[in-house]
Amino acid sequence: QVTLKESGPGILQPSQTLSLTCSFSGFSLSTSGICVSWIRQPSGKGLEWLATICWEDSKGYNPSLKNRLTISKDTSNNQAFLKITSVDTADTAIYYCARRTYSGDFDYWGQGVMVTVSS
Amino acid sequence: EIVLTQSPTTMAASPGEKVTLTCRASSSVSYMHWYQQRSGTSPKLWIYETSKLASGVPNRFSGSGSGTSYSLTINSMETEDAATYYCQQGSSYPPTFGSGTKLEIK
Repeated sequence: QVTLKESGPGILQPSQTLSLTCSFSGFSLSTSGICVSWIRQPSGKGLEWLATICWEDSKGYNPSLKNRLTISKDTSNNQAFLKITSVDTADTAIYYCARRTYSGDFDYWGQGVMVTVSS
Repeated sequence: EIVLTQSPTTMAASPGEKVTLTCRASSSVSYMHWYQQRSGTSPKLWIYETSKLASGVPNRFSGSGSGTSYSLTINSMETEDAATYYCQQGSSYPPTFGSGTKLEIK
């Protein structure tokens, strides 16, 4: 059974760095073809892909946010991480992690974690 | 970046009605994937690789299309199908999502 669960700070102030953790089970990020992605959704709005990390440690970032994003993984502990630097109110959203398949779809999603950026 | 345009933005359908949602890509893509998101929940993969139903998806749903034009069809609308549906392409970097179609029950 594949599950993913996000965790984060809940609320942070503008200019701070947002650190998110995705803890997953039912698959391994050391298995060929496996990738984990981060996707966010502001309240009442659509979905925005942020970043992906794969089993061989390749990484991809949304070009519009690339300079602010860092994705990493801890294969031994079945976790993936995302850092976003210099946050502002526009980064307020629900953040999801999801497993990405070989054909580029996201087949399993976490429940999401709400992040609010406010002074 | 490939832009995905979904139409309509919002629609309402009666139980038993046939429903078609469309997704147009700004450039040709190999596959289209679709997600269902009910209010307050995470998106769920609904249709992948254009026409394959994800596990547990009722067979009243179908997907089709190629190139720049794709669609999701519900053969006979049911109350439980009321949700927002997003299309997504993963064949061109970066992956992108459409802005969604909110489907309501009449």
